[in-house]
Amino acid sequence: DAKTTQPPSMDCAEGRAANLPCNHSTISGNEYVYWYRQIHSQGPQYIIHGLKNNETNEMASLIITEDRKSSTLILPHATLRDTAVYYCIVRPGGGNQGGKLIFGQGTELSVKP
Amino acid sequence: SAVISQKPSRDICQRGTSLTIQCQVDSQVTMMFWYRQQPGQSLTLIATANQGSEATYESGFVIDKFPISRPNLTFSTLTVSNMSPEDSSIYLCSVEGGLASYNEQFFGPGTRLTVL
Repeated sequence: DAKTTQPPSMDCAEGRAANLPCNHSTISGNEYVYWYRQIHSQGPQYIIHGLKNNETNEMASLIITEDRKSSTLILPHATLRDTAVYYCIVRPGGGNQGGKLIFGQGTELSVKP
Repeated sequence: SAVISQKPSRDICQRGTSLTIQCQVDSQVTMMFWYRQQPGQSLTLIATANQGSEATYESGFVIDKFPISRPNLTFSTLTVSNMSPEDSSIYLCSVEGGLASYNEQFFGPGTRLTVL
């Protein structure tokens, strides 16, 4: 079973920030928080991941609470192309230690004009 | 980033037959995975394809139904055997590890299978 809880759906106005929450209250000390998204009819796309510090890249920012029991993915200026299902996943660090990804139901984000 | 191709991209098959799906990566990777996505559902991990040894299957998936091969570090196949309409899904491979992929998994475009 997935170790995360996400709202099933959210709406966001184009150009505004989209804030997607995720609860992972049973996260272990060696587990990272990963975010992927799946645009309709495509394979999932990696967005960002973090352990305990906040992270930012060209796609998004990841805010992890101090107790690591929840996190928020922020798309700073949502566009219509950001409409997708967003998955929050916890797992041990990747690379050559490669942990499997267990997908929950995700949040279906609809960006509206 | 790793570039992944899958063949076929889609197929329509008769029940009782088998289909082999290919996954090709443009660089050597450590790990390869196979997922299933049933209509309207999230992704479910079928197995980890191990190079040079038998695949590691998740609960609810067995080798007789989903035999997997991984002859080298850039290629894997998944066979869906003795198909029934319940096997109609999108099947996706993903890869991780190696020079082009560290700490993130890359996914192929998927194979859309319809079983009549």
